[in-house]
Amino acid sequence: DQQVKQNSPSLSVQEGRISILNCDYTNSMFDYFLWYKKYPAEGPTFLISISSIKDKNEDGRFTVFLNKSAKHLSLHIVPSQPGDSAVYFCAASAGGSGGSNYKLTFGKGTLLTVNP
Amino acid sequence: DGGITQSPKYLFRKEGQNVTLSCEQNLNHDAMYWYRQDPGQGLRLIYYSQIVNDFQKGDIAEGYSVSREKKESFPLTVTSAQKNPTAFYLCASRTGNTGELFFGEGSRLTVL
Repeated sequence: DQQVKQNSPSLSVQEGRISILNCDYTNSMFDYFLWYKKYPAEGPTFLISISSIKDKNEDGRFTVFLNKSAKHLSLHIVPSQPGDSAVYFCAASAGGSGGSNYKLTFGKGTLLTVNP
Repeated sequence: DGGITQSPKYLFRKEGQNVTLSCEQNLNHDAMYWYRQDPGQGLRLIYYSQIVNDFQKGDIAEGYSVSREKKESFPLTVTSAQKNPTAFYLCASRTGNTGELFFGEGSRLTVL
């Protein structure tokens, strides 16, 4: 049973436009969410996170929105750049950003391609 | 510089052989994790350890074993009982203060 779902395997946008990547979750115990970026044959790198006590978190060109009632979050990248082309993973945890049993559950990822 | 080192980066083994993937971190992180990535499957948790000499099974632990004898090291053994061992393996660590995991560069295991 997939608890974190990224239903779009791929997304293509033009340079300078907005990229919107979506993520849905089914486990109501999840209360901390993260986005990671991954290039081929490399480890994922952390982008941005959000706690369930917030509905928005912003860091430069990256903004994450959380809709708890819909169990949905999205990552907005504005403006998109060719270097943003990568696979983006949504991840979630229960029990906040810490705890003795902390672990992340990942979605399957969305391949973003930003065209020049 | 501080970071997570996984070795080897590429590994080829014959079917039926056990293989051990190394993961070392000098970030002084308490928690360490092993994930597996398959095409179109995302990252799936194999094992994790919150503290030395203690570890827990993740979602797909069957056919794998780990040890955590030192804070810096969390090796993963892929045993012959693992039915589909060919995959990209990622090690990660985390300080107790924040929620993000820091990942190594990964190890690609191919079983022939």
